[in-house]
Amino acid sequence: QKEVEQNSGPLSVPEGAIASLNCTYSDRGSQSFFWYRQYSGKSPELIMSIYSNGDKEDGRFTAQLNKASQYVSLLIRDSQPSDSATYLCAVRQNDYKLSFGAGTTVTVRA
Amino acid sequence: DAGVTQSPTHLIKTRGQQVTLRCSPKSGHDTVSWYQQALGQGPQFIFQYYEEEERQRGNFPDRFSGHQFPNYSSELNVNALLLGDSALYLCASSLIGGGAKETQYFGPGTRLLVL
Repeated sequence: QKEVEQNSGPLSVPEGAIASLNCTYSDRGSQSFFWYRQYSGKSPELIMSIYSNGDKEDGRFTAQLNKASQYVSLLIRDSQPSDSATYLCAVRQNDYKLSFGAGTTVTVRA
Repeated sequence: DAGVTQSPTHLIKTRGQQVTLRCSPKSGHDTVSWYQQALGQGPQFIFQYYEEEERQRGNFPDRFSGHQFPNYSSELNVNALLLGDSALYLCASSLIGGGAKETQYFGPGTRLLVL
């Protein structure tokens, strides 16, 4: 079983719609959860972090964490063409490294 | 506020050669982690350095080694290069003491091609 799994995608949404990205993780002791955005040919850029159950909103982005279900999600509201990228879910267990999913590629069509 | 910097940006080597990649952490950060990202995959953890010591290591062979200097900058060395070492090598820096909230910020990466 992979440590972190994401929707394989690609996910295509119309401009202005909500993009919903999902991530599950295997280690129940995981403490920290991050979403990174990676444009093609670039490095990952942190967009959200979440540490406790519930929702966390930052602008058009909302992260949701459910530790009982070992599930973390990212919603992108009012999707824009500039949101077209690969979104990486990263999880830190009880150590120092980040474990990443393979990423979900989002395309926002005008 | 200086972000994470890496050099070189691109590198082409042949099988069997050795390579050194460099990273300077974000201003105020003291911890450096290295990741390997193959095409179409998520980054894979290589190791992390703090106080000039390797703090944790991922599932990479001994051909991968590193170093951290007193100014917190770091090097990643790969010996006896294989074709499969072709990837984007990412450096991430963070500040110790954040506990669960310790957040890693990535540099632009070094793209290595092994022929």
